[in-house]
Amino acid sequence: QLQLQESGPGLLKPSQTLSLTCTVSGDSISVGDNYWSWIRQPPGRGLEWIGYIFHSGLTFYNPSLKSRVRMSLDTSKNQFSLNVTSVTATDTGTYYCARYRLTTGNWFDPWGQGTLVTVSS
Amino acid sequence: DIQMTQSPSSLSASVGDRVTITCQASQDISDSLNWYQQKPGKAPKIMIYDASNLETGVPARFSGEGSGTDFTFTINSLQPEDIATYYCQQYNHLPITFGQGTRLEIK
Repeated sequence: QLQLQESGPGLLKPSQTLSLTCTVSGDSISVGDNYWSWIRQPPGRGLEWIGYIFHSGLTFYNPSLKSRVRMSLDTSKNQFSLNVTSVTATDTGTYYCARYRLTTGNWFDPWGQGTLVTVSS
Repeated sequence: DIQMTQSPSSLSASVGDRVTITCQASQDISDSLNWYQQKPGKAPKIMIYDASNLETGVPARFSGEGSGTDFTFTINSLQPEDIATYYCQQYNHLPITFGQGTRLEIK
């Protein structure tokens, strides 16, 4: 059964870099048509797709964040990561990782439990 | 970006009621639409994919329909465990976008 788990610092100061890791179990991130995704949710608000990365390293980012976002893979640890530079209070929220399958199911499933990141001075 | 507009933003209904949520896309997205359920403190869960297909394990009281720009999500005979926020999501064009959510409460 595929499972995802986010990890990373929960508190950042403005201008710092947000770095999160998603550990995948139950399947290899190196194969298949899976796009490994990040989605975030400000407190009490809706969902925003940040982007996803394919096992080849191909990435697609939301233009709203593109200049500050970078995603990467660590296939040896079966993990993928998210970096967001120059964070501000508007980057506060719960960050989810999820699988998205481009050809056999264009939806996010499963999701990690989410990790809350707070940006505050 | 394709804007997804859900209505209503919140809804109060009684157990046993039929509940309908609508989602309108700012341009034609064919049937490239999914619906998710999110309970407080939990990650979203896929309920309906490709506008009208019920995800495995989701009760048959949930349904979806629509194509193009106008979509509906229906719960027949609302149950207490259906209390959640529901989101639509389009994948026809990048960036993938979500509706703002519909918060469902029990009267």
